[in-house]
Amino acid sequence: EAGVAQSPRYKIIEKRQSVAFWCNPISGHATLYWYQQILGQGPKLLIQFQNNGVVDDSQLPKDRFSAERLKGVDSTLKIQPAKLEDSAVYLCASSLIPMLSGANVLTFGAGSRLTVL
Amino acid sequence: SQQGEEDPQALSIQEGENATMNCSYKTSINNLQWYRQNSGRGLVHLILIRSNEREKHSGRLRVTLDTSKKSSSLLITASRAADTASYFCASPPRGAQKLVFGQGTRLTINP
Repeated sequence: EAGVAQSPRYKIIEKRQSVAFWCNPISGHATLYWYQQILGQGPKLLIQFQNNGVVDDSQLPKDRFSAERLKGVDSTLKIQPAKLEDSAVYLCASSLIPMLSGANVLTFGAGSRLTVL
Repeated sequence: SQQGEEDPQALSIQEGENATMNCSYKTSINNLQWYRQNSGRGLVHLILIRSNEREKHSGRLRVTLDTSKKSSSLLITASRAADTASYFCASPPRGAQKLVFGQGTRLTINP
């Protein structure tokens, strides 16, 4: 089966500019996740979708970050305006079933590396 | 907030040796997972261990879970250069339906 697709793989922007990342999960996977991974750290969950509804966005900086999952398939994550501290890899993941008791396995994309100058 | 903390942060061993990484977590869990991340790539799931299991094997991987100490360990036997990667434990905090990752252990296998 095809994996989780993400684009672009790399993006360099200046602070205060905007950027958008796209994710196409594995076909049939109901749950989609966006994680932020700063260099040398573990991934931090930004937002979790169940179909096209938001399950958790408690760590999403809502003043500058937004995400949507139209029709419960593809998703986009937008940052506007970007700050220097947003430099990170943005990982998209999907899972077949909802996150219940941590029993479902996540399949990750390769990530989108953002550099903010 | 981090649910798990890996130890050590970095580990460098010779090819053929065994590598052990530890993970401590804060709240009680139903399951704990381990993932591997090669440089510049996404994470890959390695193994899931449930709270009623004490040990689980998958090829050269052995995972243990001690719920009384809130800790887990990942053992890689007969290491290979291809095992060079970062390894993360992940579990959902109590009552939460999300997977929270630790900071990871960077493993380097020297030829």
